Amino acid sequence: AQTVTQSQPEMSVQEAETVTLSCTYDTSESDYYLFWYKQPPSRQMILVIRQEAYKQQNATENRFSVNFQKAAKSFSLKISDSQLGDAAMYFCAYRRDDKIIFGKGTRLHILP
Amino acid sequence: EAGVAQSPRYKIIEKRQSVAFWCNPISGHATLYWYQQILGQGPKLLIQFQNNGVVDDSQLPKDRFSAERLKGVDSTLKIQPAKLEDSAVYLCASSLDLRGGGYEQYFGPGTRLTVT
Repeated sequence: AQTVTQSQPEMSVQEAETVTLSCTYDTSESDYYLFWYKQPPSRQMILVIRQEAYKQQNATENRFSVNFQKAAKSFSLKISDSQLGDAAMYFCAYRRDDKIIFGKGTRLHILP
Repeated sequence: EAGVAQSPRYKIIEKRQSVAFWCNPISGHATLYWYQQILGQGPKLLIQFQNNGVVDDSQLPKDRFSAERLKGVDSTLKIQPAKLEDSAVYLCASSLDLRGGGYEQYFGPGTRLTVT
């Protein structure tokens, strides 16, 4: 069965610094999607970034980028130039067709 | 473009009572999802619909939970009777489609349920 593990329940980073959130997953499939979602306090969950497993190139969205290591089944999120608005819960998610699994999340604190 | 709408936003009930949540997805989205998010955990998929058909309800506690999506648009999730462990945020999400799995899900604000 597929699983998604986020080993860091909480992390803190100084404003303007860079932080990396970890995610590992387990699957026997070769074709799937991986996502990072952001859930700000009392606000809706939104998509941060998406990675197709068949693409070797790491996805990038402005200050957000991923380090996708398919063989190691690792999918970390790097946030550069951290801003106060980045404070939120971050969830890593695996999806293949109708199978969707979220990790337990990492709470990110931004220190001014 | 209007987002995913959910109501009510908050609900407090006593155990053994029943409760219903409503969700209206983004117009044109074929796939609708209901998640349960217990405090401190990630969302757990309860059920997903493709148009008005159920695609996966393997994690739905069918002895007490039910969901429907009549006419392939809005959806209702019901709990009857509620238990203390049902206290959670119930999230609704929608996407254009589910085939392949790459479509972005758009989430609603959620309904926070407290069972006392």
